[in-house]
Amino acid sequence: QITLQESGPILVKPTQTLTLTCSLSGFSLETSGVAVAWIRQSPGKALEWLAVIYWDDGTRYTSTLKRRLTITKGTSKNQVVLIMTDMDPMDTATYFCARTISGVADFPFDHWGPGALVTVSS
Amino acid sequence: DIVMTQSPDSLAVSLGERATVNCKPSQTLLSNSTNENCLAWYQQKPGQPPRLLIYWTSARESGVPDRFTGSGSGTDFTLTISRLQADDVAVYYCQQFHSLPWTFGQGTKVEI
Repeated sequence: QITLQESGPILVKPTQTLTLTCSLSGFSLETSGVAVAWIRQSPGKALEWLAVIYWDDGTRYTSTLKRRLTITKGTSKNQVVLIMTDMDPMDTATYFCARTISGVADFPFDHWGPGALVTVSS
Repeated sequence: DIVMTQSPDSLAVSLGERATVNCKPSQTLLSNSTNENCLAWYQQKPGQPPRLLIYWTSARESGVPDRFTGSGSGTDFTLTISRLQADDVAVYYCQQFHSLPWTFGQGTKVEI
């Protein structure tokens, strides 16, 4: 059974750095073609893709937040970490990690974590 | 970036009737590799993550009821829910996975 689970702080102060961890189960990010992405959803708003990391350690970011984002594999091979610097109240959102497949062509997000609500407030 | 525009923003449908959600990408989603349109549909219920329903325009994800049907081509795509059930009340999103940055529509709320 494939599962993803986000973890991290529920409250951060403006200008602080957010670190979120996605724990993977039932699949490996070492498998060719596998990728894990981060997507966020502001309260009552639509979904926004943030970053993706591929099985081969390749990474891609949304251009609007690229200077603030870092996505890496965790110290455990079954974890993906998202770091977002200089947090602002506008970054208050539920942060999801999700699995996708990249091969001849990309594939949509077929498994999602339940999400982690992060509030940015002083 | 590919902009995904959904319509309507919300709709109310009677139980057992048909719901139709439209999605219009700002450019073609046709993959040169697969000759398929890189268009997916998700269902999101309150407090839950999105659930993948449809990919490649019309392919149903495993376990998705056949009352959910995707169709379309070019820059016009449709999700149809035939015989609406109470469990189908949710927000539906389209997403393009043709090119980065992957983008979503703004969502369509389907109510009874």
